[in-house]
Amino acid sequence: AQSVTQLGSHVSVSEGALVLLRCNYSSSVPPYLFWYVQYPNQGLQLLLKYTTGATLVKGINGFEAEFKKSETSFHLTKPSAHMSDAAEYFCAQNYGGSQGNLIFGKGTKLSVKP
Amino acid sequence: NAGVMQNPRHLVRRRGQEARLRCSPMKGHSHVYWYRQLPEEGLKFMVYLQKENIIDESGMPKERFSAEFPKEGPSILRIQQVVRGDSAAYFCASSPIGQGYTDTQYFGPGTRLTVL
Repeated sequence: AQSVTQLGSHVSVSEGALVLLRCNYSSSVPPYLFWYVQYPNQGLQLLLKYTTGATLVKGINGFEAEFKKSETSFHLTKPSAHMSDAAEYFCAQNYGGSQGNLIFGKGTKLSVKP
Repeated sequence: NAGVMQNPRHLVRRRGQEARLRCSPMKGHSHVYWYRQLPEEGLKFMVYLQKENIIDESGMPKERFSAEFPKEGPSILRIQQVVRGDSAAYFCASSPIGQGYTDTQYFGPGTRLTVL
């Protein structure tokens, strides 16, 4: 079965430090990959997505992710964390079984220390 | 341009009652998806609908759960005879026509169901 694994349910960084959130996917077909952010008691907002083409994808709020097929990874990074980045982040891939159901990882909660 | 609307935002039901969750997709979107988020878990796909059609309900529990997306009006997720294990956040997402796998899904704020 296809799955998405996010390493680390909680990540804590200092303000200004590098943010690295890890995501590995499992797919027997070329996946489409997404990162979403969820603020407390809110819905999910798309940060970025990879479909085809350039493997380094830039998103909103200074985030980017690199698709590495050889490592089956799609890690999310941001060079300098801001307090407003504190939220929960979800990696997702298309199921492929039908037109676009998403399979989500369990999420990583990012804390940013002053 | 209004986003995906869900109501109610919070719903409290006693065991055995029915819960109805509503979702209005973004303007121009004809694809609707429902997901459930349990505590400490990611979102789990439940059902994918287009107007008047259920495309994929592989994630729906076999009993008590149903979904519809009529020609007019919002999509409805209906849970009959709720049990405590149904307590969760239910998210609706919508996407525009035609791009299939690459469609971006836009999520609503969710309905938080609590079963007493």
